Amino acid sequence: DAGVIQSPRHEVTEMGQEVTLRCKPISGHDYLFWYRQTMMRGLELLIYFNNNVPIDDSGMPEDRFSAKMPNASFSTLKIQPSEPRDSAVYFCASSFNAGQGYTFGSGTRLTVV
Amino acid sequence: DQQVKQNSPSLSVQEGRISILNCDYTNSMFDYFLWYKKYPAEGPTFLISISSIKDKNEDGRFTVFLNKSAKHLSLHIVPSQPGDSAVYFCAASTGKLIFGQGTTLQVKP
Repeated sequence: DAGVIQSPRHEVTEMGQEVTLRCKPISGHDYLFWYRQTMMRGLELLIYFNNNVPIDDSGMPEDRFSAKMPNASFSTLKIQPSEPRDSAVYFCASSFNAGQGYTFGSGTRLTVV
Repeated sequence: DQQVKQNSPSLSVQEGRISILNCDYTNSMFDYFLWYKKYPAEGPTFLISISSIKDKNEDGRFTVFLNKSAKHLSLHIVPSQPGDSAVYFCAASTGKLIFGQGTTLQVKP
């Protein structure tokens, strides 16, 4: 298995533009998580899915953020409109279990200018 | 409100010495604790874990200690090696993983 695959690796966009981050989880993993890494807060959980259904989106910062999982092998995190404070590294992770054994992707470094 | 806190942003130790990374938590309902290691431009990778019913777990050079009364977790690396230089994240589980801010460890040759 190639692991959790995220794209793009880097994204530079202008304030106000729509940004879409993509994730392919490990086949067979029932859980998918989106995290954001910042210096101040470390790894923040934004949202997670179980069997493609969003379970907890309490970490999504505001309505500009949305996430979907249309099938077991694909998820997107969308920011519309993007703002400079959204600049961070966004990680996707998947696992068999909600509380253990997460495998992370390599992340998407987002820069909003 | 940060439920898992790593109060030391960075730590520097000499090769061969012990590295001790600390983590505090506030939620007594956490039932599982983990440490992840992250190299630049890579995602975090699992290092070691401990159940809340234990107070110590050892795996080679890595040992995790849990003090539930103090709500404190620590990771000991002995002996430290230059390849251990990375960011270390503490995480706690209550159905989902809550991570700390991370501590950057530098092991000097």
